[in-house]
Amino acid sequence: AAGVIQSPRHLIKEKRETATLKCYPIPRHDTVYWYQQGPGQDPQFLISFYEKMQSDKGSIPDRFSAQQFSDYHSELNMSSLELGDSALYFCASSSRHSGANVLTFGAGSRLTVL
Amino acid sequence: AQSVTQLDSQVPVFEEAPVELRCNYSSSVSVYLFWYVQYPNQGLQLLLKYLSGSTLVESINGFEAEFNKSQTSFHLRKPSVHISDTAEYFCAVSEASQGGKLIFGQGTELSVKP
Repeated sequence: AAGVIQSPRHLIKEKRETATLKCYPIPRHDTVYWYQQGPGQDPQFLISFYEKMQSDKGSIPDRFSAQQFSDYHSELNMSSLELGDSALYFCASSSRHSGANVLTFGAGSRLTVL
Repeated sequence: AQSVTQLDSQVPVFEEAPVELRCNYSSSVSVYLFWYVQYPNQGLQLLLKYLSGSTLVESINGFEAEFNKSQTSFHLRKPSVHISDTAEYFCAVSEASQGGKLIFGQGTELSVKP
């Protein structure tokens, strides 16, 4: 079965640079979530989208923005990168029609800021 | 707002021994409860979930968890662990009326030794 696809899997950036992470949800899933997991930390909710509209917002820095496109894929844009942004970024998707509360996670994108 | 507390950050155990990973949650509304497993350098995989119905839920690999509303707990148990169960385990909660946003506990590192 198709899973949640994230790209790139690994990304290395310098401080103050910009990074973009992409997420392709499971087909027919209408909701996308972004999480940030720092080293040795639990995943922290950043933001979510339902039917291309922002549905909830968590601890996402102002330097970050995200959107969901017409084909339901989502992108997380991170600007003015800081060392503390180094983390594993997870995307998850779900379907409100078949169980809104069951999230399927992607393998994650590991961002390293030097 | 919901919160999740995993009472043990690390649980070392010998192979074939029983194990219990403890999870307590706090919420003023009805919740759904989840356990996710994260193997080293991998993403989050759903282990089991409680949405409604029987308070005892089981996974295909021998884990089970029991929802205890009065004690606000959702402890994870396995009667006999294997080396391959070594991983980080996250308990998570979502508000039943909301669109799936998960709040994670701090994680418990299960280390199974031969």
